[in-house]
Amino acid sequence: EPEVTQTPSHQVTQMGQEVILRCVPISNHLYFYWYRQILGQKVEFLVSFYNNEISEKSEIFDDQFSVERPDGSNFTLKIRSTKLEDSAMYFCASIRDTEAFFGQGTRLTVV
Amino acid sequence: RKEVEQDPGPFNVPEGATVAFNCTYSNSASQSFFWYRQDCRKEPKLLMSVYSSGNEDGRFTAQLNRASQYISLLIRDSKLSDSATYLCVVNVMNYGGSQGNLIFGKGTKLSVKP
Repeated sequence: EPEVTQTPSHQVTQMGQEVILRCVPISNHLYFYWYRQILGQKVEFLVSFYNNEISEKSEIFDDQFSVERPDGSNFTLKIRSTKLEDSAMYFCASIRDTEAFFGQGTRLTVV
Repeated sequence: RKEVEQDPGPFNVPEGATVAFNCTYSNSASQSFFWYRQDCRKEPKLLMSVYSSGNEDGRFTAQLNRASQYISLLIRDSKLSDSATYLCVVNVMNYGGSQGNLIFGKGTKLSVKP
């Protein structure tokens, strides 16, 4: 069964450093998303991506965040200068019809 | 007002019990509705979509009341393996009707005990 894959599974970074989280969505899906979940809190929408551009973003997705689909398969989320409060689980999802398939997530720890 | 609200629980029930979860949503433009299940430190996984006519999948029954903006999930004959957090999710379409984004409730934690 096709699945969304994310790498790395866990990343520890120092405050102020840049991180890139990677996702390989399901190949025939057209809509891609990034969500985050701070420990013990709800899953929060960050950004949606369609046709090689951002279609919607939340207020969380400020200038420190960016997304790319550099090679037609990978879908990346970059955080330019990480803050302690960026520590969370980051989930990539791709959507077919209205069903979202989530990757297993990247646990980002900013120290 | 929060967009999707759920009773956070936890619900602690014995095996075999019937348990019901409720959810309300604030955006009347919401188009699609779902229950997702999330195990501890894992990704959310679709449990079932929720249709206006109500739908059933084995021990699970979902109901939607658009007038009241209310969604429910009923689990019958609960199993130990049902222990998880149940997330109420709505899809709010973008202007123009293109694929919107999924808005999650905070989830209701269920613990099924032997």
